[in-house]
Amino acid sequence: GAGVSQSPSNKVTEKGKDVELRCDPISGHTALYWYRQRLGQGLEFLIYFQGNSAPDKSGLPSDRFSAERTGESVSTLTIQRTQQEDSAVYLCASSLGGDSYEQYFGPGTRLTVT
Amino acid sequence: LAKTTQPISMDSYEGQEVNITCSHNNIATNDYITWYQQFPSQGPRFIIQGYKTKVTNEVASLFIPADRKSSTLSLPRVSLSDTAVYYCLVAPDTGRRALTFGSGTRLQVQP
Repeated sequence: GAGVSQSPSNKVTEKGKDVELRCDPISGHTALYWYRQRLGQGLEFLIYFQGNSAPDKSGLPSDRFSAERTGESVSTLTIQRTQQEDSAVYLCASSLGGDSYEQYFGPGTRLTVT
Repeated sequence: LAKTTQPISMDSYEGQEVNITCSHNNIATNDYITWYQQFPSQGPRFIIQGYKTKVTNEVASLFIPADRKSSTLSLPRVSLSDTAVYYCLVAPDTGRRALTFGSGTRLQVQP
């Protein structure tokens, strides 16, 4: 079946502009995560959605970052007034939730802020 | 969250068994140990997960001693396609299961 998809695959934007990144999780997966990966580094947790519960936003680095999820489907990560340090690959993952630790990752969106 | 420490890089040759050890001295009682693999320009891929003793699947084995302060991922007879970054993670049993990734171990398999 279809895996996690993300769009766009690459995004180049000018400093100060807003960007919106999209994630389509695997159907039936109640949990959805956003991570950021800077070049050569591990992943940083950003935000977690589980069903209809309030999202865990504890990893968002600043109030310029926000994310929404429609039910148990599509999620969008918005970065306002982008800065050069926002340049990274943004990865989305979904899982069945509950006791499952296995997360399925999308291919990521490479964001470059010039 | 328990911090993990693993070697930055390892080299091996095709056909050899590779063991990557990760230390997690502050692991909590309800924490599970999970390993992921990441190829360049791709998202991480789940390999294996365990709580204690030994777990084996079609890809790898995971050895966890009784004190659970470390774990070893064992890859049997590696091939060139196993060249990747391997992440050891400790995930809490309750609440969110967002994963804390360290820098991982970069495995280079030579012909």
